[in-house]
Amino acid sequence: DGGITQSPKYLFRKEGQNVTLSCEQNLNHDAMYWYRQDPGQGLRLIYYSQIVNDFQKGDIAEGYSVSREKKESFPLTVTSAQKNPTAFYLCASSGGNSGNTIYFGEGSWLTVV
Amino acid sequence: AQSVTQLGSHVSVSEGALVLLRCNYSSSVPPYLFWYVQYPNQGLQLLLKYTSAATLVKGINGFEAEFKKSETSFHLTKPSAHMSDAAEYFCAVRGYGGATNKLIFGTGTLLAVQP
Repeated sequence: DGGITQSPKYLFRKEGQNVTLSCEQNLNHDAMYWYRQDPGQGLRLIYYSQIVNDFQKGDIAEGYSVSREKKESFPLTVTSAQKNPTAFYLCASSGGNSGNTIYFGEGSWLTVV
Repeated sequence: AQSVTQLGSHVSVSEGALVLLRCNYSSSVPPYLFWYVQYPNQGLQLLLKYTSAATLVKGINGFEAEFKKSETSFHLTKPSAHMSDAAEYFCAVRGYGGATNKLIFGTGTLLAVQP
């Protein structure tokens, strides 16, 4: 089935450790996005990529990094510099026949203790 | 710049009653508008979208929304609520500029459906 796969679904890390969240899509979409969701704040854009080997900072990029070496993959690294990393992270993509519609993965819960 | 305001962070209705979730937008250009639904611990699912065609947009699960330019609104409605409609709903407007498909979200409305 076509879609966006995020892994892992739940992740626990100790404070000070970097962690990488995986996002893979087989929709042949050019654009990919990472959003962070906190209760009562909606979704905020961390990074986005419109094409392979290119990405741009979103509204809350500090403490995060990404790469886009393949069209299908857009991993997000939460670094130790992120002051409050515990959140629900959503990967999304758009392009091709979907036009201006953005489709989302199932999300990953990151808890830092 | 674009922005979205969702009035009411929590809405409670009885099963069978009308559902009305409010969304107002701000945009300096003709907007593309979206409603998404999120069930607990899941991603967002597209309910419907407005892309400058018909102002009354029908979506999945019996939901619809009407684009009213004069009121800068895009409220979501459903004539009769079902228990399975309990979820969080997000209104979003498409941003312009560096990411032509970047979505700007409202803060969400949590819908509770009482039996």
